[in-house]
Amino acid sequence: GQQLNQSPQSMFIQEGEDVSMNCTSSSIFNTWLWYKQDPGEGPVLLIALYKAGELTSNGRLTAQFGITRKDSFLNISASIPSDVGIYFCAGQLPGGGNKLTFGTGTQLKVEL
Amino acid sequence: EPEVTQTPSHQVTQMGQEVILRCVPISNHLYFYWYRQILGQKVEFLVSFYNNEISEKSEIFDDQFSVERPDGSNFTLKIRSTKLEDSAMYFCASSVRTGGTGELFFGEGSRLTVL
Repeated sequence: GQQLNQSPQSMFIQEGEDVSMNCTSSSIFNTWLWYKQDPGEGPVLLIALYKAGELTSNGRLTAQFGITRKDSFLNISASIPSDVGIYFCAGQLPGGGNKLTFGTGTQLKVEL
Repeated sequence: EPEVTQTPSHQVTQMGQEVILRCVPISNHLYFYWYRQILGQKVEFLVSFYNNEISEKSEIFDDQFSVERPDGSNFTLKIRSTKLEDSAMYFCASSVRTGGTGELFFGEGSRLTVL
């Protein structure tokens, strides 16, 4: 199946720092979505991207849909303790209908 | 804010038993999905459902699995004869539209433990 690789796999940062993570694939995607998952809970949608080159913000979060349509990044500015969790990218393939392919996840830990 | 709700939150069952996981999607959504997540791994697609039929399924969704929308609000996943490797979190999701532009909203999940 399609593989979405996320990096870094995990990161440990200081409160107040900016965070950057990305997602890459060998395949082209029509849509990129970023989700956050807290332990024992379901993924919560953070940002949705629909066009190549699109840059979208949601509060302290900013995400971009790569020009090649094979990658996306997510930035979190001025991290706070509640940013802790696992961040997943997810994409929808051309002709893939509504199925989401999830990335491998980036675990974020914030040090006070 | 509308949300996807799932029951039970946790089910423990013996291998070979049938399990039904229930979901109430967001009320104006048209597309429904089941995903699963084995502990510590990524979320994997199982099946999508639209207009009372399966629109797509993965290789994981074999003959042991079935889905149903028994009424206007519930969406269920049945595992006919559970195996140890079916132990996972099962997430229901729904979206308004498809075609590469649909945002999926997930429930909090049902943890299935097969002994």
